[in-house]
Amino acid sequence: EPEVTQTPSHQVTQMGQEVILRCVPISNHLYFYWYRQILGQKVEFLVSFYNNEISEKSEIFDDQFSVERPDGSNFTLKIRSTKLEDSAMYFCASTLRGDRASPLHFGNGTRLTVT
Amino acid sequence: DAKTTQPPSMDCAEGRAANLPCNHSTISGNEYVYWYRQIHSQGPQYIIHGLKNNETNEMASLIITEDRKSSTLILPHATLRDTAVYYCIVRVLLYNFNKFYFGSGTKLNVKP
Repeated sequence: EPEVTQTPSHQVTQMGQEVILRCVPISNHLYFYWYRQILGQKVEFLVSFYNNEISEKSEIFDDQFSVERPDGSNFTLKIRSTKLEDSAMYFCASTLRGDRASPLHFGNGTRLTVT
Repeated sequence: DAKTTQPPSMDCAEGRAANLPCNHSTISGNEYVYWYRQIHSQGPQYIIHGLKNNETNEMASLIITEDRKSSTLILPHATLRDTAVYYCIVRVLLYNFNKFYFGSGTKLNVKP
């Protein structure tokens, strides 16, 4: 069964550094998402992306964050200058269609640790 | 998204059916009920979804009440690997895009 893959599984970085988290969505999917989960907390929506542009973003997704689909397969999340509070699991998700009956499929995440 | 209410935790004996309830009393007619689970810190795993009718797949069954104000996820023969946090999500389409809001879910503990 096709799946969403994320790399790396664990990323350690120093505060102030830039990080890029990578995702390969399911190949025929058209809508892409990033979520994050701080340890012990809920899974939170960050951003949705369709047709090469952001469709919606949460208040968490400030100017330090950006997303890109550089080619036909990858979907990336960049954090420009990491802060300690960015430490979390970051999940990528994709779905085939944008309607209510199309489930999101999630990857297994990247654990980001900012020191 | 419509708010959902789930018990924070439940226990189930291995091999028995696990019935996980969810209340979504403010659901409207075009909102689907989705169930996901999260095992340890892995990504949320899609289980099943439905609108009005009961649904069944290889993982679980979803029973939605006639008034659609509540639903039950049924794992027919729970195994230890089904220990996870289960999320009931009611999703509404906003503009042309949709997203999920995750609540706190139900921690299902399957015991030998």
